[in-house]
Amino acid sequence: AQSVSQHNHHVILSEAASLELGCNYSYGGTVNLFWYVQYPGQHLQLLLKYFSGDPLVKGIKGFEAEFIKSKFSFNLRKPSVQWSDTAEYFCAVNDFMDMRFGAGTRLTVKP
Amino acid sequence: ETGVTQSPTHLIKTRGQQVTLRCSSQSGHNTVSWYQQALGQGPQFIFQYYREEENGRGNFPPRFSGLQFPNYSSELNVNALELDDSALYLCASSSPGIGGRGTDTQYFGPGTRLTVL
Repeated sequence: AQSVSQHNHHVILSEAASLELGCNYSYGGTVNLFWYVQYPGQHLQLLLKYFSGDPLVKGIKGFEAEFIKSKFSFNLRKPSVQWSDTAEYFCAVNDFMDMRFGAGTRLTVKP
Repeated sequence: ETGVTQSPTHLIKTRGQQVTLRCSSQSGHNTVSWYQQALGQGPQFIFQYYREEENGRGNFPPRFSGLQFPNYSSELNVNALELDDSALYLCASSSPGIGGRGTDTQYFGPGTRLTVL
């Protein structure tokens, strides 16, 4: 069974700093990849997803992620974070059998 | 807001009891997935229902069972509750994507917080 690792438990940044959150998975076959976000007091919602094609995918609110198959990675990036990006971020991998989530990374953006 | 609703919001039970959690899927969605999210962890997949049949199951014992109804709403039942069952239970609805199973975007409800004493 696959596993999903998010390297950072809690990241603290100042506004306008660049963000990169790491995500690695263990499954070697074909997978679909997702990043979900949970803002304080809100539901989990989709940021972006990758199924096939261009490995650089763009999502909502200026987020993007790059799929690097050789590294089994799907890192999330944003060039300049805002205070409103404070949230918990979850990477998820679907291998067509089930959906596995990482433990999450809490992002705190200081104004 | 996603259109996925769950009830109840909070629930307190004691060990050995049984519990039923409910989920109404977003309009137009025929697939419901259930997840358990323990404190400080990511959601863990329990099972998925598609058109009223179980369509995949995670590593959970048989005392976790479910149902999906013709209107695509769903129930999660947990028998013989244990202390470790205390968690947030999330329901997510979706429709199979063009690429088939596994490509759908899941829309999550607010969850039911279950506490087992």
